[in-house]
Amino acid sequence: GQNIDQPTEMTATEGAIVQINCTYQTSGFNGLFWYQQHAGEAPTFLSYNVLDGLEEKGRFSSFLSRSKGYSYLLLKELQMKDSASYLCAVLDSNYQLIWGAGTKLIIKP
Amino acid sequence: IAGITQAPTSQILAAGRRMTLRCTQDMRHNAMYWYRQDLGLGLRLIHYSNTAGTTGKGEVPDGYSVSRANTDDFPLTLASAVPSQTSVYFCASSDTNTGELFFGEGSRLTVL
Repeated sequence: GQNIDQPTEMTATEGAIVQINCTYQTSGFNGLFWYQQHAGEAPTFLSYNVLDGLEEKGRFSSFLSRSKGYSYLLLKELQMKDSASYLCAVLDSNYQLIWGAGTKLIIKP
Repeated sequence: IAGITQAPTSQILAAGRRMTLRCTQDMRHNAMYWYRQDLGLGLRLIHYSNTAGTTGKGEVPDGYSVSRANTDDFPLTLASAVPSQTSVYFCASSDTNTGELFFGEGSRLTVL
């Protein structure tokens, strides 16, 4: 079966750095997405990786290793507004998105 | 720019009633999707449509139906609602070039 694993919840301090990991086992791979979802709101796009390596976008970076079935989202200089759930999703061989359950990130002052 | 509009945003419904959740997009995306999101579970695909006139079943299609008469509209119908269909429903469309999904604001449905 297809599976996406990410931690259920993480806590970090304002101003610090946090890394949210995602491991996947899917039938084929056509890219990995990270979405941010604030409580009671819709998910919004953060990043897309299809090749190995690090993609940096401001305070957020996303890393992919296809051979290890592994990705992480790195958030720097954490702000209170970064408190949200972070969803990892993989595009499989049929171009269907397989979603992880999400990681709830709690930022403390 | 509206993007994707869902209606209603919230609804309480008696079991056995019929309900249609509406979804309209103005981005001219070919592909559209309906997901449900439940606490502790990832987004689960109910139905999808790759282009106007075609639809397909997702991971959890039972009890739901969709239609895609044109590019902009993709309504989701619960023919006879049951309490297990209590959930938050998200409509989404995708950019063919990037694969990025754009979500509506969600419809919170409670079936009693």
